Amino acid sequence: EDQVTQSPEALRLQEGESSSLNCSYTVSGLRGLFWYRQDPGKGPEFLFTLYSAGEEKEKERLKATLTKKESFLHITAPKPEDSATYLCAGGRDYGGSQGNLIFGKGTKLSVKP
Amino acid sequence: NAGVTQTPKFQVLKTGQSMTLQCAQDMNHNSMYWYRQDPGMGLRLIYYSASEGTTDKGEVPNGYNVSRLNKREFSLRLESAAPSQTSVYFCASSETVGGGNTIYFGEGSWLTVV
Repeated sequence: EDQVTQSPEALRLQEGESSSLNCSYTVSGLRGLFWYRQDPGKGPEFLFTLYSAGEEKEKERLKATLTKKESFLHITAPKPEDSATYLCAGGRDYGGSQGNLIFGKGTKLSVKP
Repeated sequence: NAGVTQTPKFQVLKTGQSMTLQCAQDMNHNSMYWYRQDPGMGLRLIYYSASEGTTDKGEVPNGYNVSRLNKREFSLRLESAAPSQTSVYFCASSETVGGGNTIYFGEGSWLTVV
């Protein structure tokens, strides 16, 4: 059974305190590992897609990495405006009846000034 | 730069009532999706449409119907609403179906069934 698990469920950081969010996945025929940011009352906002183990992508204070079993979202020197829920999702083969993305439950990040 | 637009934003229904959630995208994408998001659970796929004229069930299709009206529009219908359908609904679109393409989401529709 395909599964995406994110940890921790919640993370509280001080401004400038770097950390990482974890996404463990078991997705047959994985077609991309996606990271989204979601603010309260809003839809998910696309951040990154990673396709192969060893791949890394960066955007401002965020860097996403991928291994064969996990993905990490590294946050360097976070600011309060980085506070949000971060969602990880695995892309699945179109041929499967389940459709497209399977999501984890998210990590709620709070950054205090 | 509208992207994916959903209406209505908020709706309260009584059990047994019907309603349709509307979704439109202006990115000329071929594929469109409906997800629901519930507290403590990840987003789950209800239905998707790989291209105009086709629709397929996702993980949680029971109690819903969809219509791909044209390339831009994909609607979700609740024929007889139940309290279990209280949720936040997100419409999304991508250039093609499949995990290799970025999926863009709308702002969500909050539905409460009493």
